[in-house]
Amino acid sequence: AQKVTQAQTEISVVEKEDVTLDCVYETRDTTYYLFWYKQPPSGELVFLIRRNSFDEQNEISGRYSWNFQKSTSSFNFTITASQVVDSAVYFCALSDNYGQNFVFGPGTRLSVLP
Amino acid sequence: NAGVTQTPKFRVLKTGQSMTLLCAQDMNHEYMYWYRQDPGMGLRLIHYSVGEGTTAKGEVPDGYNVSRLKKQNFLLGLESAAPSQTSVYFCASQTPGHLGDTEAFFGQGTRLTVV
Repeated sequence: AQKVTQAQTEISVVEKEDVTLDCVYETRDTTYYLFWYKQPPSGELVFLIRRNSFDEQNEISGRYSWNFQKSTSSFNFTITASQVVDSAVYFCALSDNYGQNFVFGPGTRLSVLP
Repeated sequence: NAGVTQTPKFRVLKTGQSMTLLCAQDMNHEYMYWYRQDPGMGLRLIHYSVGEGTTAKGEVPDGYNVSRLKKQNFLLGLESAAPSQTSVYFCASQTPGHLGDTEAFFGQGTRLTVV
Protein backbone atom coordinates (compact mmCIF):
# COMPACT_ATOMS: atom_id res chain seq x y z
CA ALA A 1 0.00 0.00 0.00
CA GLN A 2 1.11 3.53 -0.64
CA LYS A 3 1.59 5.89 2.24
CA VAL A 4 2.79 9.44 2.80
CA THR A 5 4.05 10.70 6.13
CA GLN A 6 4.49 14.32 7.08
CA ALA A 7 5.83 14.18 10.59
CA GLN A 8 5.64 17.91 11.21
CA THR A 9 2.10 18.78 12.18
CA GLU A 10 2.71 22.50 12.67
CA ILE A 11 5.67 24.78 12.12
CA SER A 12 6.02 28.43 13.06
CA VAL A 13 8.77 30.65 11.73
CA VAL A 14 9.47 34.33 11.64
CA GLU A 15 9.37 36.08 8.31
CA LYS A 16 12.56 35.76 6.24
CA GLU A 17 13.59 32.52 7.90
CA ASP A 18 14.12 29.44 5.77
CA VAL A 19 11.90 26.45 6.49
CA THR A 20 11.92 22.85 5.33
CA LEU A 21 8.83 20.67 5.25
CA ASP A 22 9.50 16.96 5.39
CA CYS A 23 7.79 14.27 3.35
CA VAL A 24 8.51 10.55 3.53
CA TYR A 25 6.70 8.09 1.33
CA GLU A 26 6.23 4.35 1.00
CA THR A 27 5.53 2.49 -2.20
CA ARG A 28 6.36 -0.81 -3.85
CA ASP A 29 6.15 0.68 -7.31
CA THR A 30 9.23 1.52 -9.35
CA THR A 31 7.39 4.23 -11.25
CA TYR A 32 5.45 6.76 -9.23
CA TYR A 33 4.78 10.47 -8.94
CA LEU A 34 5.24 12.82 -6.03
CA PHE A 35 3.41 16.09 -5.55
CA TRP A 36 3.27 19.08 -3.27
CA TYR A 37 0.10 21.13 -2.84
CA LYS A 38 -0.54 24.30 -0.87
CA GLN A 39 -3.84 24.98 0.86
CA PRO A 40 -4.11 28.63 1.94
CA PRO A 41 -6.72 29.78 4.47
CA SER A 42 -9.18 30.31 1.62
CA GLY A 43 -9.33 26.50 1.26
CA GLU A 44 -8.46 25.77 -2.34
CA LEU A 45 -5.68 23.36 -3.25
CA VAL A 46 -2.85 24.93 -5.21
CA PHE A 47 -0.52 22.70 -7.21
CA LEU A 48 3.18 23.37 -6.57
CA ILE A 49 5.16 20.56 -8.15
CA ARG A 50 4.97 17.09 -9.66
CA ARG A 51 8.03 14.84 -9.90
CA ASN A 52 8.33 11.35 -11.32
CA SER A 53 10.41 8.68 -9.67
CA PHE A 54 13.06 8.62 -12.38
CA ASP A 55 13.94 12.25 -12.01
CA GLU A 56 15.98 12.78 -8.86
CA GLN A 57 17.27 16.16 -9.90
CA ASN A 58 16.47 18.80 -7.32
CA GLU A 59 14.30 21.64 -8.47
CA ILE A 60 14.23 25.31 -7.63
CA SER A 61 11.42 27.69 -8.44
CA GLY A 62 11.95 31.13 -7.01
CA ARG A 63 11.97 30.83 -3.23
CA TYR A 64 10.82 27.22 -3.41
CA SER A 65 13.08 24.21 -3.76
CA TRP A 66 12.54 20.48 -3.57
CA ASN A 67 14.97 17.74 -2.58
CA PHE A 68 14.04 14.29 -3.86
CA GLN A 69 16.07 11.38 -2.45
CA LYS A 70 14.97 7.89 -3.46
CA SER A 71 17.51 6.32 -1.10
CA THR A 72 15.61 7.70 1.89
CA SER A 73 12.16 7.84 0.20
CA SER A 74 11.92 11.53 0.92
CA PHE A 75 10.69 14.51 -1.04
CA ASN A 76 11.34 17.56 1.13
CA PHE A 77 10.22 21.10 0.39
CA THR A 78 12.17 24.20 1.40
CA ILE A 79 10.93 27.77 1.39
CA THR A 80 13.73 30.32 1.44
CA ALA A 81 13.18 33.72 3.01
CA SER A 82 9.64 32.87 4.07
CA GLN A 83 6.87 35.42 3.80
CA VAL A 84 3.57 35.83 5.63
CA VAL A 85 1.74 34.83 2.43
CA ASP A 86 3.41 31.42 2.67
CA SER A 87 1.24 30.63 5.69
CA ALA A 88 -0.84 27.64 4.67
CA VAL A 89 -1.21 23.91 5.03
CA TYR A 90 1.14 22.04 2.74
CA PHE A 91 0.39 18.55 1.51
CA CYS A 92 2.72 15.99 0.02
CA ALA A 93 1.08 13.36 -2.21
CA LEU A 94 1.98 10.15 -4.02
CA SER A 95 0.45 8.54 -7.09
CA ASP A 96 1.29 5.33 -8.89
CA ASN A 97 2.02 5.29 -12.60
CA TYR A 98 -1.61 4.69 -13.48
CA GLY A 99 -3.22 7.33 -11.30
CA GLN A 100 -4.56 4.87 -8.81
CA ASN A 101 -3.96 5.25 -5.12
CA PHE A 102 -3.41 8.98 -5.34
CA VAL A 103 -2.82 9.49 -1.63
CA PHE A 104 -2.00 12.49 0.51
CA GLY A 105 -0.06 12.99 3.69
CA PRO A 106 -1.77 14.57 6.70
CA GLY A 107 -0.32 17.98 5.90
CA THR A 108 1.94 20.46 7.67
CA ARG A 109 0.50 23.74 8.84
CA LEU A 110 3.05 26.51 8.33
CA SER A 111 2.64 29.81 10.10
CA VAL A 112 4.94 32.63 9.08
CA LEU A 113 4.90 35.40 11.63
CA PRO A 114 5.69 39.01 10.74
CA ASN B 1 -12.19 26.83 -19.33
CA ALA B 2 -13.77 26.05 -15.97
CA GLY B 3 -11.44 23.22 -14.89
CA VAL B 4 -13.04 21.17 -12.11
CA THR B 5 -16.41 22.32 -10.79
CA GLN B 6 -18.11 20.93 -7.72
CA THR B 7 -21.80 21.32 -6.99
CA PRO B 8 -23.01 22.34 -4.44
CA LYS B 9 -20.45 24.37 -2.50
CA PHE B 10 -22.30 24.13 0.82
CA ARG B 11 -24.99 21.82 2.13
CA VAL B 12 -26.60 20.98 5.45
CA LEU B 13 -28.28 17.59 5.73
CA LYS B 14 -30.27 15.91 8.43
CA THR B 15 -29.18 12.48 9.60
CA GLY B 16 -30.61 9.85 7.30
CA GLN B 17 -31.11 12.12 4.30
CA SER B 18 -29.49 11.35 0.98
CA MET B 19 -27.70 13.59 -1.46
CA THR B 20 -25.40 13.55 -4.46
CA LEU B 21 -22.34 15.68 -4.99
CA LEU B 22 -21.48 16.43 -8.59
CA CYS B 23 -17.98 16.86 -9.97
CA ALA B 24 -17.59 18.04 -13.55
CA GLN B 25 -14.34 18.53 -15.46
CA ASP B 26 -13.87 19.95 -18.91
CA MET B 27 -10.25 18.89 -19.50
CA ASN B 28 -10.98 15.43 -20.93
CA HIS B 29 -9.14 13.82 -18.02
CA GLU B 30 -9.28 10.07 -17.62
CA TYR B 31 -8.90 9.89 -13.86
CA MET B 32 -11.19 11.40 -11.27
CA TYR B 33 -11.13 11.22 -7.49
CA TRP B 34 -13.24 12.06 -4.47
CA TYR B 35 -11.58 12.98 -1.18
CA ARG B 36 -12.77 14.09 2.21
CA GLN B 37 -10.76 16.45 4.36
CA ASP B 38 -11.05 16.41 8.12
CA PRO B 39 -8.99 18.41 10.61
CA GLY B 40 -5.58 16.86 11.22
CA MET B 41 -6.16 14.01 8.77
CA GLY B 42 -5.31 15.54 5.44
CA LEU B 43 -7.18 14.36 2.38
CA ARG B 44 -8.42 10.80 2.43
CA LEU B 45 -9.38 9.07 -0.78
CA ILE B 46 -12.99 7.88 -0.85
CA HIS B 47 -13.41 6.49 -4.37
CA TYR B 48 -11.75 7.01 -7.69
CA SER B 49 -12.29 6.28 -11.34
CA VAL B 50 -9.75 5.56 -14.06
CA GLY B 51 -12.23 5.89 -16.89
CA GLU B 52 -15.84 6.16 -17.92
CA GLY B 53 -17.90 3.36 -16.44
CA THR B 54 -15.24 2.26 -13.95
CA THR B 55 -14.91 3.04 -10.26
CA ALA B 56 -12.83 1.73 -7.39
CA LYS B 57 -12.69 2.07 -3.63
CA GLY B 58 -10.16 4.22 -1.92
CA GLU B 59 -9.13 4.43 1.71
CA VAL B 60 -12.51 5.37 3.26
CA PRO B 61 -15.33 4.18 0.96
CA ASP B 62 -17.92 3.10 3.53
CA GLY B 63 -21.16 5.05 3.42
CA TYR B 64 -20.50 6.42 -0.06
CA ASN B 65 -21.27 5.33 -3.60
CA VAL B 66 -20.02 6.75 -6.88
CA SER B 67 -20.83 6.65 -10.56
CA ARG B 68 -18.96 7.70 -13.70
CA LEU B 69 -21.51 7.38 -16.46
CA LYS B 70 -19.92 10.15 -18.47
CA LYS B 71 -16.21 10.84 -18.71
CA GLN B 72 -16.58 14.42 -17.59
CA ASN B 73 -18.72 13.73 -14.51
CA PHE B 74 -18.02 11.88 -11.28
CA LEU B 75 -20.88 11.68 -8.79
CA LEU B 76 -20.52 10.98 -5.08
CA GLY B 77 -23.63 9.74 -3.29
CA LEU B 78 -24.54 9.54 0.36
CA GLU B 79 -27.53 7.22 0.74
CA SER B 80 -28.14 7.82 4.43
CA ALA B 81 -26.08 10.68 5.79
CA ALA B 82 -24.46 10.40 9.22
CA PRO B 83 -22.86 13.09 11.39
CA SER B 84 -19.50 11.35 10.84
CA GLN B 85 -19.76 12.38 7.21
CA THR B 86 -19.56 16.03 8.11
CA SER B 87 -16.48 17.11 6.19
CA VAL B 88 -15.13 19.10 3.28
CA TYR B 89 -15.23 17.09 0.08
CA PHE B 90 -12.82 17.64 -2.79
CA CYS B 91 -12.95 16.30 -6.29
CA ALA B 92 -9.86 16.03 -8.49
CA SER B 93 -9.03 14.97 -12.01
CA GLN B 94 -5.88 14.23 -13.97
CA THR B 95 -4.49 12.53 -17.03
CA PRO B 96 -2.50 9.34 -16.45
CA GLY B 97 1.08 10.22 -15.60
CA HIS B 98 2.58 7.83 -18.08
CA LEU B 99 0.82 9.66 -20.89
CA GLY B 100 2.52 12.94 -20.21
CA ASP B 101 3.26 15.62 -17.76
CA THR B 102 0.26 16.92 -15.91
CA GLU B 103 -0.94 18.00 -12.52
CA ALA B 104 -4.04 16.93 -10.70
CA PHE B 105 -6.65 19.65 -10.73
CA PHE B 106 -8.93 20.12 -7.75
CA GLY B 107 -12.38 21.57 -7.37
CA GLN B 108 -13.13 24.29 -4.84
CA GLY B 109 -14.55 21.86 -2.31
CA THR B 110 -17.99 21.16 -0.87
CA ARG B 111 -18.60 21.81 2.80
CA LEU B 112 -21.14 19.29 4.05
CA THR B 113 -22.64 19.36 7.52
CA VAL B 114 -24.82 16.52 8.76
CA VAL B 115 -26.91 17.37 11.80
